[in-house]
Amino acid sequence: KQEVTQIPAALSVPEGENLVLNCSFTDSAIYNLQWFRQDPGKGLTSLLLIQSSQREQTSGRLNASLDKSSGRSTLYIAASQPGDSATYLCALPTGSSNTGKLIFGQGTTLQVKP
Amino acid sequence: EAEVAQSPRYKITEKSQAVAFWCDPISGHATLYWYRQILGQGPELLVQFQDESVVDDSQLPKDRFSAERLKGVDSTLKIQPAELGDSAMYLCASRGLAEYEQYFGPGTRLTVT
Repeated sequence: KQEVTQIPAALSVPEGENLVLNCSFTDSAIYNLQWFRQDPGKGLTSLLLIQSSQREQTSGRLNASLDKSSGRSTLYIAASQPGDSATYLCALPTGSSNTGKLIFGQGTTLQVKP
Repeated sequence: EAEVAQSPRYKITEKSQAVAFWCDPISGHATLYWYRQILGQGPELLVQFQDESVVDDSQLPKDRFSAERLKGVDSTLKIQPAELGDSAMYLCASRGLAEYEQYFGPGTRLTVT
């Protein structure tokens, strides 16, 4: 059974810092991995999706990496801004395809202080 | 840009009452998912549809929850009777056949008093 863990649960940094959010999973036979952002009381916004054959994906100040063998993914945020404050969730589809449900971590709540 | 629509956005109900949520997926998306997210946790799947058929409802509390997608387009999730523990965010997502991603709607925040 796939289990997804995100550490830390919460993180507070001053504006401008570079930071890394961690996501670990127990079953390395994954199809892809997706990072989401969730603002308080809102739905999920997809940030990046990494296919199992890829090592990383980049979008603006965000870079996500994937190491299937170690069961880990990281989300790197460069030059953090107060607007980056949100909860960040990683998720993987069950099984070896992308048709099944997503298994989510519990999220890391990020606060970027001005 | 096409989006998943959900209504209502917020719902407050008393325990033992019935409540219903509606989801309209992105046009043409055959797969529809309902997730429940308790505060401080990640979303968990309640039910998955492929067109009008249920693919996975193993985590749906069937004694009080029901879901339908009669014409394979929009979907309704119902709770009857609601319990205090049902207070959560209910998220709908959809995915196209040739797509890798699930696209999420804004969610319905349910508070049961």
